[in-house]
Amino acid sequence: DAKTTQPTSMDCAEGRAANLPCNHSTISGNEYVYWYRQIHSQGPQYIIHGLKNNETNEMASLIITEDRKSSTLILPHATLRDTAVYYCIVRGRTSGTYKYIFGTGTRLKVLA
Amino acid sequence: GAGVSQSPSNKVTEKGKDVELRCDPISGHTALYWYRQSLGQGLEFLIYFQGNSAPDKSGLPSDRFSAERTGGSVSTLTIQRTQQEDSAVYLCASSFGSRWRFPDTIYFGEGSWLTVV
Repeated sequence: DAKTTQPTSMDCAEGRAANLPCNHSTISGNEYVYWYRQIHSQGPQYIIHGLKNNETNEMASLIITEDRKSSTLILPHATLRDTAVYYCIVRGRTSGTYKYIFGTGTRLKVLA
Repeated sequence: GAGVSQSPSNKVTEKGKDVELRCDPISGHTALYWYRQSLGQGLEFLIYFQGNSAPDKSGLPSDRFSAERTGGSVSTLTIQRTQQEDSAVYLCASSFGSRWRFPDTIYFGEGSWLTVV
């Protein structure tokens, strides 16, 4: 079972910041939070990951709360090409091994 | 190779036939995943290979599904006696396979689209 919960869908105006929340209240130890996105008909694409500190790269920023029970992915200036399903994942121990279990993700629609 | 390579890209098969889907992971990656994604749905975990360890088959939906990984590299997912509900895109991913307390980014192929008619 996925260890994260996300809203099913969100809309964002083009050029504005898209803030995608994720709840991972059962995160433990040194488990990392990862974000991927899947644009229609393509394989999922890595965006960013973090442990405790906020992270930023050329694609996005990741804000993790101090208690690590939730995080927010920020796309600072959303474009139409950012329309995709965004997955928040914690790679925890499931059925005996540490593997990626994807939830249903958030379907982000960027509006012109 | 430069990325995860999957073949065939598209496969149409008749109900009851067997199909094989192939995944060639990124060179040096010890971990390999198979996922299934039905139309409009999320990614469903199928099986996970990590180095020489026994594969985690906990996601395989039935005994018609099997997978192997030869020589720690190329993997083949086999579906026997295909059913219409097997129609989906089958995605393969690979990673360096670092221990859980270290980050381990996975990289996906473009998938094999299977249609059972």
